[in-house]
Amino acid sequence: GESVGLHLPTLSVQEGDNSIINCAYSNSASDYFIWYKQESGKGPQFIIDIRSNMDKRQGQRVTVLLNKTVKHLSLQIAATQPGDSAVYFCAENSGGNKLVFGAGTILRVKS
Amino acid sequence: EAEVAQSPRYKITEKSQAVAFWCDPISGHATLYWYRQILGQGPELLVQFQDESVVDDSQLPKDRFSAERLKGVDSTLKIQPAELGDSAMYLCASSLAGSGGAIETQYFGPGTRLLVL
Repeated sequence: GESVGLHLPTLSVQEGDNSIINCAYSNSASDYFIWYKQESGKGPQFIIDIRSNMDKRQGQRVTVLLNKTVKHLSLQIAATQPGDSAVYFCAENSGGNKLVFGAGTILRVKS
Repeated sequence: EAEVAQSPRYKITEKSQAVAFWCDPISGHATLYWYRQILGQGPELLVQFQDESVVDDSQLPKDRFSAERLKGVDSTLKIQPAELGDSAMYLCASSLAGSGGAIETQYFGPGTRLLVL
């Protein structure tokens, strides 16, 4: 079946540095992508989304980039803070508002 | 800020017992989703409701799992009998609309962590 995957299972960054989390997706028909942050013991928290008619979208300290040519999605976090430590999931809309999630990337922020 | 509510937050049960989880979506959200998340993996959709109707339950193990949303608001997910492999986080999410229509962001609740002994 269709799947979404992540290149790096764990990312360690120094506080204040920028973080980049990558995601590869396989369904070229997907038209909507979301990044979620999940802290230990909590449900996924919406961070930012992007539709397939865009290649970049910015939020507060976060930017999502979409490259449909190579089916690649990335999340950039500027000035990473200890509170950013969590597991980050990308998800794609496979149709009918059904989200397919990747396995997740652990982000560790070192103080 | 409106949130998806779930209870209980934690549940420990013995195999072959019945368990039930409850979800109250964000007010006004017509679409409700139940996901299962195994430790170290992303959530996987079990069932999707549009109002009181099931839109997709293709991944729901129907021999032991059931879900209902009788009045199109809150929802219950039941497992009977529970098996060891059911140990996981059960997440509920809701969105404004979605099925067949515009794409809407899904907002998740805190989840119910189930441990089957």
